[in-house]
Amino acid sequence: AQSVTQPDIHITVSEGASLELRCNYSYGATPYLFWYVQSPGQGLQLLLKYFSGDTLVQGIKGFEAEFKRSQSSFNLRKPSVHWSDAAEYFCAVGATSYQKVTFGIGTKLQVIP
Amino acid sequence: DAEITQSPRHKITETGRQVTLACHQTWNHNNMFWYRQDLGHGLRLIHYSYGVQDTNKGEVSDGYSVSRSNTEDLPLTLESAASSQTSVYFCASSAAGSSYNEQFFGPGTRLTVL
Repeated sequence: AQSVTQPDIHITVSEGASLELRCNYSYGATPYLFWYVQSPGQGLQLLLKYFSGDTLVQGIKGFEAEFKRSQSSFNLRKPSVHWSDAAEYFCAVGATSYQKVTFGIGTKLQVIP
Repeated sequence: DAEITQSPRHKITETGRQVTLACHQTWNHNNMFWYRQDLGHGLRLIHYSYGVQDTNKGEVSDGYSVSRSNTEDLPLTLESAASSQTSVYFCASSAAGSSYNEQFFGPGTRLTVL
């Protein structure tokens, strides 16, 4: 069965600092990987996705993520965080055959001035 | 613009009552999903549907049911609400296809069972 681990439940960074959110997955084949963002009181919005090819993927809002098969990781990065990035971030792994995804428990990002 | 809506946005009910949460999408997507979101658990899949008259159980389906009579709607019913079902519920939809298609999420319904 597929699973996702997000080891950091809560992260605080200063505005303008770099950000890296960690994600490790377990899946028997080549995974489909995603990062979603949830602003307070809102639904989830897709930031970026990895299906195949280039292991460094670019997403919306200046985010990027790198797929590392040897480490079973798909960490999310942003070089300079803005106050509006404060939200909860979810990593997810998908099984294309069933169009389903399994989500991690989320990492809540706090941005301080 | 196409969208996915949920109603009500907030609901308070009592233990033992039947509750139905509505989900309506105008994307014309074949696939629809219901998740619940709880602290420490992230989002967990309750039920999903790949088309009209198709429904499938997810990982936390006990106490919930769905029916799909048309493409646009997938209502979620709690047959006899329990306090353990207090949660935020999200509906999502995606297009059918051989590869994975992005799921679009509704704004959520916050359900409190007293």
